Amino acid sequence: AQSVAQPEDQVNVAEGNPLTVKCTYSVSGNPYLFWYVQYPNRGLQFLLKYITGDNLVKGSYGFEAEFNKSQTSFHLKKPSALVSDSALYFCATNAGNNRKLIWGLGTSLGVNP
Amino acid sequence: DVKVTQSSRYLVKRTGEKVFLECVQDMDHENMFWYRQDPGLGLRLIYFSYDVKMKEKGDIPEGYSVSREKKERFSLILESASTNQTSMYLCASSSTPGTVGYEQYFGPGTRLTVT
Repeated sequence: AQSVAQPEDQVNVAEGNPLTVKCTYSVSGNPYLFWYVQYPNRGLQFLLKYITGDNLVKGSYGFEAEFNKSQTSFHLKKPSALVSDSALYFCATNAGNNRKLIWGLGTSLGVNP
Repeated sequence: DVKVTQSSRYLVKRTGEKVFLECVQDMDHENMFWYRQDPGLGLRLIYFSYDVKMKEKGDIPEGYSVSREKKERFSLILESASTNQTSMYLCASSSTPGTVGYEQYFGPGTRLTVT
């Protein structure tokens, strides 16, 4: 069965420090992988995706993610965190032509000033 | 930019009422989705539609129905609202897998309270 795991419910970092939000996946076939961010009382916003090609994907707001096939991971990173990055982050995946996405449960990121 | 709009940001209904949540997208997307989001449970798919008048059950369809009469509009119906349907409801749309940019785009959400 296809699945996504976000092993950390909560991540806290200091402003200016690098941040990592972890995601691992389990799919049959080649995965499509996505990161979304949700600010309080808002819908989800698309951040970035991996379809094929370069393992390092750059997205919105200075975020990037690294696809690692051997570790089946797609961790979200940012070199220098901002307080405004505090939000809920979701990883999602599907494989092949499946229209539906499989979602992780989300990781709450807190950035302390 | 893709725009997905939902009819209400906040809604309060009474138990037993029939509730309509509407979603409109302006990108000519084939696929539309309804999710509910609850703390600790992430996003759970209620229904999705891949074409006009076509629908498919998601993970938690019980107590809900949907309607898609036009490509841009996807409605979620709570036939008889119950307190356990108090939640945040999110609508999303996407184009067909295999095309560029088939990620899902979300509306702002409707926070429904059933009393």
